[in-house]
Amino acid sequence: AQKITQTQPGMFVQEKEAVTLDCTYDTSDPSYGLFWYKQPSSGEMIFLIYQGSYDQQNATEGRYSLNFQKARKSANLVISASQLGDSAMYFCATKETSGSRLTFGEGTQLTVNP
Amino acid sequence: DSGVTQTPKHLITATGQRVTLRCSPRSGDLSVYWYQQSLDQGLQFLIQYYNGEERAKGNILERFSAQQFPDLHSELNLSSLELGDSALYFCASSVADWGGQGCEQYFGPGTRLTVT
Repeated sequence: AQKITQTQPGMFVQEKEAVTLDCTYDTSDPSYGLFWYKQPSSGEMIFLIYQGSYDQQNATEGRYSLNFQKARKSANLVISASQLGDSAMYFCATKETSGSRLTFGEGTQLTVNP
Repeated sequence: DSGVTQTPKHLITATGQRVTLRCSPRSGDLSVYWYQQSLDQGLQFLIQYYNGEERAKGNILERFSAQQFPDLHSELNLSSLELGDSALYFCASSVADWGGQGCEQYFGPGTRLTVT
């Protein structure tokens, strides 16, 4: 079984600063994917970034980057130059390569202050 | 806009009733997934279809069922509704259901179900 742990229920950051959201995972599968999703207060789930377990380089998508440390089983999301619109709940998720389902963490509520 | 559509956006119904939630995947996506998000359970995978066939089952109650039609849209049927079924139900789609390129799942806006 897979498990995702997000230890920060809430995080605060000043506008234009960078912030790191923590995610650790537990899986016995040798091949898996790691995902981050954003859920604003409006409720929709927005896909942000994906990292495969065999990818050599850390994934980046615009202001989002994934700090993947396989030995530590961590997949932290780094948001650079935070914007007010980044205020939302952020979920880390994992999926085994051979499987279908995403297993989500409990989420981190990020608040960006002006 | 993810390209995944879900209807209705909101649904209020009484205990014991039956409802149908509808989802249309992104153009070209063959896999459809259903998830339930509730305050006490978080985000839970319910079921997945791939090109019309059931591919995986998660924590889906026997009172719930789903199907994917030839045009790839999917419906989630919830029957004998209980207060605890109140939740946000998401549909997601992906090109592939295995790992690697194309496995990322794009979510629809969700259907908020309230059972009174």
